Amino acid sequence: SQQGEEDPQALSIQEGENATMNCSYKTSINNLQWYRQNSGRGLVHLILIRSNEREKHSGRLRVTLDTSKKSSSLLITASRAADTASYFCATDAYGGGADGLTFGKGTHLIIQP
Amino acid sequence: AAGVIQSPRHLIKEKRETATLKCYPIPRHDTVYWYQQGPGQDPQFLISFYEKMQSDKGSIPDRFSAQQFSDYHSELNMSSLELGDSALYFCASSASDSEQYFGPGTRLTVT
Repeated sequence: SQQGEEDPQALSIQEGENATMNCSYKTSINNLQWYRQNSGRGLVHLILIRSNEREKHSGRLRVTLDTSKKSSSLLITASRAADTASYFCATDAYGGGADGLTFGKGTHLIIQP
Repeated sequence: AAGVIQSPRHLIKEKRETATLKCYPIPRHDTVYWYQQGPGQDPQFLISFYEKMQSDKGSIPDRFSAQQFSDYHSELNMSSLELGDSALYFCASSASDSEQYFGPGTRLTVT
């Protein structure tokens, strides 16, 4: 079943602005991870937030997690042209073990110079 | 820092042929995962291994099999290839319930 759903599917903003992407999921999770993917390239791990955490920061990235609403958001501040990419949330279902991640459909972010 | 290594990076096969993809995890990572990403799609989990034993199974077709070896590298074997198997195949590794780090992927084209 489809787990993560991202919103919006596409986002175009001006360089320097902030970009916010949202992700919703359906089942209980151990953690939620955000990845970046440049066109046809590998997935770059950005940040992991555990189910008992509500907010996490890493450089220009801020991630929030609301387990009651089964949703997460990724905020990129002071965007740069190099941030242009697709962003995916991925959930690790509750239960432990080497579970595969369930990815959302992704948000395609375009930063206009 | 060492990353996940995948080989080959590109592979072209004909229908009904067999392909083998290889993955070398980050040193000291004990878990390997395989994912398939079709054009314009999100990655789909196929299968994972922890300490050389199959751990979790996703949407892996019966025509595909995988294993993890004593040196922790993993191989994904794909038989009777179909046009629909054309995709990016990613391997990821992790150290026990932590972040999964992805390799650069193998682009498989079936003609």
